[in-house]
Amino acid sequence: NAGVTQTPKFQVLKTGQSMTLQCAQDMNHNSMYWYRQDPGMGLRLIYYSASEGTTDKGEVPNGYNVSRLNKREFSLRLESAAPSQTSVYFCASIAGGVTKNIQYFGAGTRLSVL
Amino acid sequence: AQSVAQPEDQVNVAEGNPLTVKCTYSVSGNPYLFWYVQYPNRGLQFLLKYITGDNLVKGSYGFEAEFNKSQTSFHLKKPSALVSDSALYFCAVRTGTSYGKLTFGQGTILTVHP
Repeated sequence: NAGVTQTPKFQVLKTGQSMTLQCAQDMNHNSMYWYRQDPGMGLRLIYYSASEGTTDKGEVPNGYNVSRLNKREFSLRLESAAPSQTSVYFCASIAGGVTKNIQYFGAGTRLSVL
Repeated sequence: AQSVAQPEDQVNVAEGNPLTVKCTYSVSGNPYLFWYVQYPNRGLQFLLKYITGDNLVKGSYGFEAEFNKSQTSFHLKKPSALVSDSALYFCAVRTGTSYGKLTFGQGTILTVHP
């Protein structure tokens, strides 16, 4: 049972570098989400995809782009990394049916921007 | 706009004692309320939810939460704490029209002492 898989687990970037965080879920979920977690601030929504082919901004989208490649995969791209983007990034997907509203989270990507 | 507050950054209890982690919320419309737990270097795990019905909700690992509409609260409780309950706890809220988007509180660190 893989659930939600995020790669890489750790990354160190220099200011101005770009990278893509990958997320894949094998639970046939329609909706997927990217959050960032910062100390004392909980999780904040960056972007979400309600269904395949759609993406929308969340609370803190600036500096990020996303791609919903197919139903399984939802990637987050940093085009020009900044130190303020040092954070832990979590991908999540939501179950439908009788268990709807429950989000399932990946293990996270710890990103440091120097 | 919806919001969630967890007024305590940290809660300390002795093993075997009851524990309470507090959460208050502000939404327009009927709230869907959740508790998630995060262990070190892991993603968030679902504990329990309130959608409708009985105000006392039972969840995983012996946890329960009480929905109080008049006080706009959804406190997490456990009758007898275990050292293994030590973790970071998040309260979250969504509304019915938000495509599953969650708004999280800032988190409460629970430490259970032997």
